[in-house]
Amino acid sequence: NAGVTQTPKFRILKIGQSMTLQCTQDMNHNYMYWYRQDPGMGLKLIYYSVGAGITDKGEVPNGYNVSRSTTEDFPLRLELAAPSQTSVYFCASRQDLAGGSNEQFFGPGTRLTVL
Amino acid sequence: QKEVEQDPGPLSVPEGAIVSLNCTYSNSAFQYFMWYRQYSRKGPELLMYTYSSGNKEDGRFTAQVDKSSKYISLFIRDSQPSDSATYLCAMTRNNAGNMLTFGGGTRLMVKP
Repeated sequence: NAGVTQTPKFRILKIGQSMTLQCTQDMNHNYMYWYRQDPGMGLKLIYYSVGAGITDKGEVPNGYNVSRSTTEDFPLRLELAAPSQTSVYFCASRQDLAGGSNEQFFGPGTRLTVL
Repeated sequence: QKEVEQDPGPLSVPEGAIVSLNCTYSNSAFQYFMWYRQYSRKGPELLMYTYSSGNKEDGRFTAQVDKSSKYISLFIRDSQPSDSATYLCAMTRNNAGNMLTFGGGTRLMVKP
């Protein structure tokens, strides 16, 4: 199992450019998440999905879009990059187990800089 | 005021020391509490998961929750240089876990 993989590892964007951050998991997990992590601020939830075809907003969704066409993939789209979107982006997934823990498995992150 | 507060550190201790990491929170609806460990330039990984008040022990790690004081702690016994990382507390209202609220993390350095 590769777990949760993210590409690219690093990216520099110019203001106004767009890009897609890729996330794939091979654990057959229902739930998938996108977070951003700014220095000293912890992780903030951008969007999440409870299964293919179902997505919902998290705490900081503005400026981002997601789709979930398959169980494995959960791409995050930035349409008009802004300096405020400079951050480290983490994708995570978890299984829906009744009575189970909330363990979310995280990918290695994508470091994005918008100049 | 942040919903979850955590001292950013860094906290520097000698190898073998007992480490105490803490978070305070303001929302009394939180019932599930987690500690994640994050090594530099890596994603977080779950260390401990507890429900409501009480203690939970796993090897050298003990998680403690005091809901009456809205205060959670992680203790690390016999700390090792490999424990050097950032420790994030996280909490949620229910076991669906879709809206985890994270603290900002405490950076721990264990010196040999």
